Amino acid sequence: EPEVTQTPSHQVTQMGQEVILRCVPISNHLYFYWYRQILGQKVEFLVSFYNNEISEKSEIFDDQFSVERPDGSNFTLKIRSTKLEDSAMYFCASTRDRSTDTQYFGPGTRLTVL
Amino acid sequence: KQEVTQIPAALSVPEGENLVLNCSFTDSAIYNLQWFRQDPGKGLTSLLLIQSSQREQTSGRLNASLDKSSGRSTLYIAASQPGDSATYLCAVKAAGSYQLTFGKGTKLSVIP
Repeated sequence: EPEVTQTPSHQVTQMGQEVILRCVPISNHLYFYWYRQILGQKVEFLVSFYNNEISEKSEIFDDQFSVERPDGSNFTLKIRSTKLEDSAMYFCASTRDRSTDTQYFGPGTRLTVL
Repeated sequence: KQEVTQIPAALSVPEGENLVLNCSFTDSAIYNLQWFRQDPGKGLTSLLLIQSSQREQTSGRLNASLDKSSGRSTLYIAASQPGDSATYLCAVKAAGSYQLTFGKGTKLSVIP
């Protein structure tokens, strides 16, 4: 069964450094998402991406964040200058259809900012 | 702004018992509602998706219902097993939005 994959599974970085989290969505999906979950808290939406542009973003997704689909298979989340409060599990998700389809989630990348 | 609440926050039951997890949401203008399972430190596994026009969905021992007008959904698990132990998350997709809004989850422990 097709699945969303994410790399790395765990990333440790120093405050102020740039990190790139990578995702490979399911191959015939058109809509891509990033969510995050701070330890002990709810899963929160960051951004959705369709047709090579951001379709929706949350208040969390400020100028420090960016997303890109650099080729036909990868979808990346970049954090330009990491802060301690960026430490969280980051999930990528994808879906075929915007409104009616199941969102399939990857296993997540645990980001630790020291 | 859509808010999703799940009650109870934690639940412990003996193996074999049937149980119900509850989810409520504040804005009834939704496309669909999804139930997920999350194991500790892991990703989200989709269990059931209910469209706004549907009243329930079933998959094996799981049955999810949706009452959109009252802003409620339930996840019924029949004949619980220790392997069902996990956190169960409810998420809604608001009409006109791309995002899922999640509840905080119910942590289920099934005792052998």
